[in-house]
Amino acid sequence: NAGVTQTPKFQVLKTGQSMTLQCAQDMNHNSMYWYRQDPGMGLRLIYYSASEGTTDKGEVPDGYNVSRLKKQNFLLGLESAAPSQTSVYFCASSQFRDRGDNEQFFGPGTRLTVL
Amino acid sequence: AQKITQTQPGMFVQEKEAVTLDCTYDTSDPSYGLFWYKQPSSGEMIFLIYQGSYDQQNATEGRYSLNFQKARKSANLVISASQLGDSAMYFCAMRGGGGSQGNLIFGKGTKLSVKP
Repeated sequence: NAGVTQTPKFQVLKTGQSMTLQCAQDMNHNSMYWYRQDPGMGLRLIYYSASEGTTDKGEVPDGYNVSRLKKQNFLLGLESAAPSQTSVYFCASSQFRDRGDNEQFFGPGTRLTVL
Repeated sequence: AQKITQTQPGMFVQEKEAVTLDCTYDTSDPSYGLFWYKQPSSGEMIFLIYQGSYDQQNATEGRYSLNFQKARKSANLVISASQLGDSAMYFCAMRGGGGSQGNLIFGKGTKLSVKP
């Protein structure tokens, strides 16, 4: 099992460019998440998806869009990149249960720089 | 609103000693879960330990234990017999109850440095 994979690992964009960060999981998890990590801020939730075809906003969704067309894939899009979106992006997945341990498994992260 | 607070930006511990990393939380949900993750300098997030709000006993996983004090809303991580490889950022996180879809709220983290 590869677990959670993310592509690319590194990306440099110019202000105004667009791109899509890709995330895939092979654990058949129903829930997937996108976080961003900024220095001194911990991880903050951008968007999440409870199941294939559904997505919801998290704490910091502005400037991003997502799609979950297949259960194993969760895509994060930046339509017009801004320097404030320079960050490390983590994708995660879990088998959500209302109670109990629903540990999130994280991908290795994508380091994005917007010039 | 749910919130996680880690008040120690950085901690030092001597190798082979025990160390406690503090975490307090705030929630009105009766059902919640508390997690600790480790992030070494390589950047990946590694799950360490989980405590459910209804669990009667403190969670333990090898050298990691969680000191869960529900009335004080604290979930401190205890690492026994520290090793040089324990040097990393440590994040406390909380999962809310029904309707939160398993979303985690993270604290800002504590940087642990283990001295030889």
